[in-house]
Amino acid sequence: NAGVTQTPKFQVLKTGQSMTLQCAQDMNHEYMSWYRQDPGMGLRLIHYSVGAGITDQGEVPNGYNVSRSTTEDFPLRLLSAAPSQTSVYFCASSPFTGQSSGNTIYFGEGSWLTVV
Amino acid sequence: AQSVTQPDIHITVSEGASLELRCNYSYGATPYLFWYVQSPGQGLQLLLKYFSGDTLVQGIKGFEAEFKRSQSSFNLRKPSVHWSDAAEYFCAVGNAGNNRKLIWGLGTSLAVNP
Repeated sequence: NAGVTQTPKFQVLKTGQSMTLQCAQDMNHEYMSWYRQDPGMGLRLIHYSVGAGITDQGEVPNGYNVSRSTTEDFPLRLLSAAPSQTSVYFCASSPFTGQSSGNTIYFGEGSWLTVV
Repeated sequence: AQSVTQPDIHITVSEGASLELRCNYSYGATPYLFWYVQSPGQGLQLLLKYFSGDTLVQGIKGFEAEFKRSQSSFNLRKPSVHWSDAAEYFCAVGNAGNNRKLIWGLGTSLAVNP
């Protein structure tokens, strides 16, 4: 059972570089999202998608870009990395309300990103 | 304003002792409530959730939580803690219409003494 898979697990970037965090889920979930987790600030929603071709901004979208070309994949792009983007990033997925698993959110194992 | 408060940033208990982690929320609509656990270096895993019905809900790993509407609380309990329960615990609240935009607490870090 793969669930939600994120790559890479660890990454070090230089300021100004760009990169993409990959996320894939094999549960046919319509909803996918990206969070960042920082000490003392909990989980903050970056971007989310309710289906292929549909994305929307979360709480902290600046500096990040997403796309949803398929149900399975939801990559997160850092356009020009800044030290403030040093964080742990979690991808998550969820079925819509009404399905048997309800509103449970399934998380990937995280990607540790350091921007120097 | 909508919010979730976990008053205890860090808790230490002895193995075998009982545990209660507090969660208070402020939410305008009927709340859907969740507890997630995050083991070190891992993603978050759902422990239990409350949507409606019985206000005492059972979860995985021997955890339970009780929804108290009058107190706006959803405290997590376990009668006997195991060393493997050491982790970060997050409470979250959402609603049926747009529960994807969950409001998260800042978490409670649990340490277990042998």
